[in-house]
Amino acid sequence: DAKTTQPTSMDCAEGRAANLPCNHSTISGNEYVYWYRQIHSQGPQYIIHGLKNNETNEMASLIITEDRKSSTLILPHATLRDTAVYYCIVRVAGYGGSQGNLIFGKGTKLSVKP
Amino acid sequence: EPEVTQTPSHQVTQMGQEVILRCVPISNHLYFYWYRQILGQKVEFLVSFYNNEISEKSEIFDDQFSVERPDGSNFTLKIRSTKLEDSAMYFCASSFGQGPNTGELFFGEGSRLTVL
Repeated sequence: DAKTTQPTSMDCAEGRAANLPCNHSTISGNEYVYWYRQIHSQGPQYIIHGLKNNETNEMASLIITEDRKSSTLILPHATLRDTAVYYCIVRVAGYGGSQGNLIFGKGTKLSVKP
Repeated sequence: EPEVTQTPSHQVTQMGQEVILRCVPISNHLYFYWYRQILGQKVEFLVSFYNNEISEKSEIFDDQFSVERPDGSNFTLKIRSTKLEDSAMYFCASSFGQGPNTGELFFGEGSRLTVL
């Protein structure tokens, strides 16, 4: 079972920041938080991941609380093309620094509206 | 940008028939995966593959399923005797490694399987 809790759906106005929350209260010290999205029925697309520090890339920012029990994915200027299901995934740590497989939950359906 | 490619994009088959779904992972990737998504449901892990053998599989991946890397580029999923409940979108994915800096999975666009 997925180790995260996300709202079922959210709306965001085009051009505004989209803030997608995720709770992962049982996360272990060496488990990473990953975000993927799935636009319509396309293959999931990697967005960003982090351990404890905030991360930023060309797609989004990831804010992880100090206790690591929750995180927020931020799309700074949402466009209509960002309408998708967003998955927050805690990736189980394996041996020797390897990580377990991605296990998807139900995600948050983000609708960006004009 | 390198990408994972899957064929066919859509296959319709009769119940009981064998189906092979094909994937070409990104060329320097070492880990390969199959996931499936039944319409309206979540993406489910089926199997991971490394060094020419299965490294992990889910309960869904029973004896009707098999995977193979027949040459240096293709990665296939075979369903021996399809059932109605096998109707789904099947996604192939690959990653260079499994560490936090190499474990990003790249997914293909999927193969839609319809079993009649």
